[in-house]
Amino acid sequence: KNEVEQSPQNLTAQEGEFITINCSYSVGISALHWLQQHPGGGIVSLFMLSSGKKKHGRLIATINIQEKHSSLHITASHPRDSAVYICAAIQDNDMRFGAGTRLTVKP
Amino acid sequence: KAGVTQTPRYLIKTRGQQVTLSCSPISGHRSVSWYQQTPGQGLQFLFEYFSETQRNKGNFPGRFSGRQFSNSRSEMNVSTLELGDSALYLCASSLVVGNGGYTFGSGTRLTVV
Repeated sequence: KNEVEQSPQNLTAQEGEFITINCSYSVGISALHWLQQHPGGGIVSLFMLSSGKKKHGRLIATINIQEKHSSLHITASHPRDSAVYICAAIQDNDMRFGAGTRLTVKP
Repeated sequence: KAGVTQTPRYLIKTRGQQVTLSCSPISGHRSVSWYQQTPGQGLQFLFEYFSETQRNKGNFPGRFSGRQFSNSRSEMNVSTLELGDSALYLCASSLVVGNGGYTFGSGTRLTVV
């Protein structure tokens, strides 16, 4: 079993929809990282959080340490949000990645 | 300011050869970490360097090695290449180890034939 599980694997939405991507982990962590990878391969760091919630524009990330679960929300989704979203659990300076969620937002 | 620069962008090597990849971090960033991404295994952590010292290492064979120079630039070396080493190799820099704020480079796509 993967230490970091993401769901769903694939997600298709219509422009404007509210998106939720989930990440569960089985190890104790010091922080969790959300990354965005566009088709060209470039990765952008979205959030790093160890508790509570963080917001940046239309993106919101939450984490529940007790439940070992994090969510990434996108409000008013747009086709340019289409990408693979990857969560990474940081434990003792090691980083374990989820398999990613491929999001496609249709106009 | 300039981002994380990885060179080369693309590389084709034959089995048995060795390869060296380069990563120049954002100015002021002292930590450089390396990752391998393959369709089958996804993203995996290779190692992280800070102040010229390897601080953490993922679960990869000894054929994978790296180093960091005094200007924080880092190189990654893979010896005796295997077909399975074909992957996108990404590096990321941050101010300190394990503190997030990672900025990723565009990666080097290595193909082993």
